[in-house]
Amino acid sequence: EAQVTQNPRYLITVTGKKLTVTCSQNMNHEYMSWYRQDPGLGLRQIYYSMNVEVTDKGDVPEGYKVSRKEKRNFPLILESPSPNQTSLYFCASSLSPDTDTQYFGPGTRLTVL
Amino acid sequence: GENVEQHPSTLSVQEGDSAVIKCTYSDSASNYFPWYKQELGKGPQLIIDIRSNVGEKKDQRIAVTLNKTAKHFSLHITETQPEDSAVYFCAASILIYNQGGKLIFGQGTELSVKP
Repeated sequence: EAQVTQNPRYLITVTGKKLTVTCSQNMNHEYMSWYRQDPGLGLRQIYYSMNVEVTDKGDVPEGYKVSRKEKRNFPLILESPSPNQTSLYFCASSLSPDTDTQYFGPGTRLTVL
Repeated sequence: GENVEQHPSTLSVQEGDSAVIKCTYSDSASNYFPWYKQELGKGPQLIIDIRSNVGEKKDQRIAVTLNKTAKHFSLHITETQPEDSAVYFCAASILIYNQGGKLIFGQGTELSVKP
């Protein structure tokens, strides 16, 4: 089954404690991205990757890092989380960034205390 | 920067009625306009899309219309059912100099269909 998986689904942490949210896709897509969803703001792109070892900032990259060492995996790293990063996070993958279906993971709800 | 405005933010209809969600975009070069449905506890899922070479597309009870001159597009759901209750996102493609293309999403519409 074609899918994007994310882990963990729920996470409560404290300010400053480094965390990683994993993302994996099994569709051999070159393009992957991370979004955060906040009420009234829709989906905003954090980082994206056009291919292995190629990553770039999206619209709201501050406080986040990513890596793309393998085609299928695209982890999101928060090195020093702050309360304003409390949000619902989605990983997505697609064949192309702007003309093909984006497949979203189930989401990770993060709370930073 | 380029953006997509989506209205209304919440919409409540009676089962069997129609629902319409509207989006406007700013980049006249946008040529791909997908709509995503997000059910509770799940990630968004594509339900229909339209490209700039057509003005309307229909798939059973859902349809999308595009007016490129006015730079707006709409989602129409007819004969709504309780399972249509969800958050709906519109999106538009944009081209960023030196970066390539991407999708910009609207703010989302929470649709509630009352039995």
